[in-house]
Amino acid sequence: GNSVTQMEGPVTLSEEAFLTINCTYTATGYPSLFWYVQYPGEGLQLLLKATKADDKGSNKGFEATYRKETTSFHLEKGSVQVSDSAVYFCALEGGGDKIIFGKGTRLHILP
Amino acid sequence: GAVVSQHPSRVICKSGTSVKIECRSLDFQATTMFWYRQFPKQSLMLMATSNEGSKATYEQGVEKDKFLINHASLTLSTLTVTSAHPEDSSFYICSAVHRVRRETQYFGPGTRLLVL
Repeated sequence: GNSVTQMEGPVTLSEEAFLTINCTYTATGYPSLFWYVQYPGEGLQLLLKATKADDKGSNKGFEATYRKETTSFHLEKGSVQVSDSAVYFCALEGGGDKIIFGKGTRLHILP
Repeated sequence: GAVVSQHPSRVICKSGTSVKIECRSLDFQATTMFWYRQFPKQSLMLMATSNEGSKATYEQGVEKDKFLINHASLTLSTLTVTSAHPEDSSFYICSAVHRVRRETQYFGPGTRLLVL
């Protein structure tokens, strides 16, 4: 069945460091892929998405590229800020509007 | 825009009682809402799909008589945990699919349930 695996956290970085959060998926076909972010005390928000192979989703300085050959959708940001501290979820569309989530990666950015 | 609220945000109840959690789309209509459950350091697990005016569709392993879902209008879905037990303690999150912009789900802030 469909599933998502992402790196376990927490990830702790200094401000302005480079960020990578790895995500790989298992799916039949080519589902849409997502990154959601959950800031403290708030609901999940869609950060970015990609709907087909080689698509690059981007938002707020974050990027992720849909890699069919490696079944990956790694999240990257060149220079993180304290305000990026949150939990990040990789996810895929499971059909019928359903979304299948990874376990989430907590990110701490130190000033 | 596209805000989803949940009420209550936190609830503590005694074992054997029932708890109702509301999920509302505040500024849009949602024909479909989803209910998720999240354990500490775990992923969101989809419990059921709630469609306005019809019966909810439950995922495998989720007891429909235990978790009653009612989607009475295009802006409100409720989840009732019946005869709650300590193992039902969890974080419950709902999401709503915009009736027009169906490609995006909007999530509520979650409800933390503690059953004593």
